[in-house]
Amino acid sequence: ETGVTQSPTHLIKTRGQQVTLRCSSQSGHNTVSWYQQALGQGPQFIFQYYREEENGRGNFPPRFSGLQFPNYSSELNVNALELDDSALYLCASSRGQGGDIQYFGAGTRLSVL
Amino acid sequence: GIQVEQSPPDLILQEGANSTLRCNFSDSVNNLQWFHQNPWGQLINLFYIPSGTKQNGRLSATTVATERYSLLYISSSQTTDSGVYFCAASRGSNYKLTFGKGTLLTVNP
Repeated sequence: ETGVTQSPTHLIKTRGQQVTLRCSSQSGHNTVSWYQQALGQGPQFIFQYYREEENGRGNFPPRFSGLQFPNYSSELNVNALELDDSALYLCASSRGQGGDIQYFGAGTRLSVL
Repeated sequence: GIQVEQSPPDLILQEGANSTLRCNFSDSVNNLQWFHQNPWGQLINLFYIPSGTKQNGRLSATTVATERYSLLYISSSQTTDSGVYFCAASRGSNYKLTFGKGTLLTVNP
């Protein structure tokens, strides 16, 4: 049990729709990172939020966006869904940036039809 | 950015056997973590080990930072050890974890 919770656990959408995924960070953590894991691959970094500001971004298009709230929970929004967006989306929380340990939630499995 | 390579990609063992998983990384790191991903997708933290050696029950890990590799040892393997093992690293003020492609471990009874 990592103390990081994600919702929903599963989601089915159709191409072109929009989706919002949610993450509650572990108590005392102010940083949330989002990762996308395609089938058979390792997780890929999407972006990180530190104290409500985006703190870095991976190689993902602008239709992937996010928010972090004052309680440090976070949302990942994906617009104009494409079939390739089908993946497991993982959220990780940590106490700070850089070298701090990241603790992962159980993920949201998104299927785009 | 940093490159992370894991070997072997697949490993099949009989229950009770020992194994060693390897992770090579391309640059100095300030974070190196080993994870076990269960069949439901949960990434379970095994070790935070940017350098040195740690042990937790039947599992242990060693990172030799100067030579840019880390090893995960599993002793007396059990069927519940099956799953994918990931190594992930970050360096400097870089915030993102870069993952290897994983090692798929299958432990047969």
